[in-house]
Amino acid sequence: NAGVTQTPKFRVLKTGQSMTLLCAQDMNHEYMYWYRQDPGMGLRLIHYSVGEGTTAKGEVPDGYNVSRLKKQNFLLGLESAAPSQTSVYFCASSLTSGAPYEQYFGPGTRLTVT
Amino acid sequence: TQLLEQSPQFLSIQEGENLTVYCNSSSVFSSLQWYRQEPGEGPVLLVTVVTGGEVKKLKRLTFQFGDARKDSSLHITAAQPGDTGLYLCAGPGGSYIPTFGRGTSLIVHP
Repeated sequence: NAGVTQTPKFRVLKTGQSMTLLCAQDMNHEYMYWYRQDPGMGLRLIHYSVGEGTTAKGEVPDGYNVSRLKKQNFLLGLESAAPSQTSVYFCASSLTSGAPYEQYFGPGTRLTVT
Repeated sequence: TQLLEQSPQFLSIQEGENLTVYCNSSSVFSSLQWYRQEPGEGPVLLVTVVTGGEVKKLKRLTFQFGDARKDSSLHITAAQPGDTGLYLCAGPGGSYIPTFGRGTSLIVHP
């Protein structure tokens, strides 16, 4: 089991450029999440998905879009990158029963917007 | 929104020392999780506590859930440089969305 993987690991964008971050999990988890982590701010939820074909906004959704076309994949898109989106992005997944709040995280994507 | 406050925010100690970090809330949680995040990596789940008063041990790490299920602590005995990292507590924030504390950043010097 690879667990949760994220692609790419690092990326530098110029203001206004677009990109997509890919998250994949092989644990058959229903729930998937995208977070950003900034110094002093902790983990902040951007968007999440409770199942294939469904998405919902989290705490800081502006400037981001997501899609969950397949159960194992959760994509995070930046349509027009801004310097304020410079951050480390983490994807996570969790089960829906038993221990739904136990999250399994990917290794992160470090994004710099210049 | 249920909030989790972690203290201290930063901790810098020498190898071999003991330490305790805290996770507090004014709300009751049905469970709490502890994660460790090493530099440049994603958080990794350490433990889940679900019963008030529960104590769980993971090698040199001891986790305790408060009797009222509003607080939790993590005690590390004889800290080692490999314990360096960000320790996060988390609990249910509603509708399967967890809420995270901001973490305690621990540095253990050799």
